[in-house]
Parts: sequence; structure tokens; C-alpha cells
Amino acid sequence: QVQLVESGGGVAQPGNSLRLSCSASGFTFRNHGMHWVRQAPGKGLEWVAVIWFDGSRDYYVDSVKGRFAISRDNSRNTLYLQMNSLRAEDTAMYYCARFTGGDFEGYFDYWGQGILVTV
Amino acid sequence: QSVLTQPPSVSGAPGQRVTISCTGSYSNLGAGYDVQWYQHLPEKAPKLLIYGSYNRPSGVPDRFSGSKSGTSASLSITWLQAEDEADYYCQSYDSSLSGWVFGGGTKLAVL
Repeated sequence: QVQLVESGGGVAQPGNSLRLSCSASGFTFRNHGMHWVRQAPGKGLEWVAVIWFDGSRDYYVDSVKGRFAISRDNSRNTLYLQMNSLRAEDTAMYYCARFTGGDFEGYFDYWGQGILVTV
Repeated sequence: QSVLTQPPSVSGAPGQRVTISCTGSYSNLGAGYDVQWYQHLPEKAPKLLIYGSYNRPSGVPDRFSGSKSGTSASLSITWLQAEDEADYYCQSYDSSLSGWVFGGGTKLAVL
């Protein structure tokens, strides 16, 4: 079955960095775009970043542009989120999610359990 | 403020029907992009309920249904059960923002 398992979260000081990982199994990882979605305490879901199935394109929400970088290693079935210059407002549960569909139209059909980042 | 607008809360008694609305604009729902709905229980991963505005993934009960018209969409839940108590989010793509967007979420209380 499809599994997504996040790791790498924790406590960081403002201005510091963290790198999240998402290990995927149970499906052909290289065939799917992958996203990061976060939920700040007491808030709703917020889309953070996407990377195309082959790593050729990536997009970010404005609030993280220039600070976060999404990447993937299709040989290791792993998705990453490098988070630099962390701010208090980046405190959230971070979920990796599999995307199924076209380039932009589609849906998040599988999600990880989430990993907490506290700044 | 979220790009997609949902009511903060809705409630209903067991066995009743509730509807959750999701209002967007010309650059997302109004541009023809589909809406998805997710159920989020505390300490759990969000779960896909409706995709492509109307479709249910296998395993989702037919008590859940979705619709879309113009810049608005809705999720209906019939025969409410205690286990339906959760947060519900609509989601789409926004061409002006060049990104995926969620509604603010609606907390469903089963009285």
C-alpha cells in the first residue's frame, strides 16, 4: 500500500535551517508530482511547494520563496524540503502529499502523517 | 484570508444532512479548475473525499457528494454519523497565484 513517511522535523532557532524528508513506498514514485502542505497551530491547511515528477519544475507559495527549496531523489523514492532562514511563522505540521492528475489539475490522494517543525 | 472561502463551522444531528460551501473566484473555480474536498481528523493525515468536483475515491461512502457551479462548490454529507465530526477543506488551483489553494476549513459538529 502507499506510504509516505516524513522525518527531519524538530525545533530550530529563527534564522536557522532544517531539512525535511519524505520517504515514499508502495507506488512508482517517479511517476508523480509531490507536494508539501503545512498546517500552523490552530490554522488551516496551506500549500507550500510542488516538484514535478521528474524534478524539472518547482513552485512555491510566496511566503517561502527564496527560503525553501523542494527536491527529490527518484532513485531513493525520497522527497525533500530544505528550509532556510526559518521564521516563527513557519511553525507548523508539515505534510508531504502525492499528487495525481495533470500538471495543475489533480488531487492529493495520499498524505503522510506529518512532521512538526517549531521555530 | 483564504483564497477559497468556507464557513468556519456547521453542525447537524445524527441522521441529518449538512452542506459545506466553498466560494472562489475567476482565477480558480471560476476559471474551470476542479475542486477537491478533504476530511481532516485530529492527529491524522488529511483524507481525500471528493476529487474532480464530483468524484469519490473508492472506499468513501456515498453519503458524501460534491458539486460545483461557477465560482462556488459544495460538499454534502447525508445521514450524519458521529464519526463524521472533523475539519473539512476544499482545494483547487489558482492561476493568478500560480499555486494550489485551500479553503480556511469548516469544523463539522455532530450534535
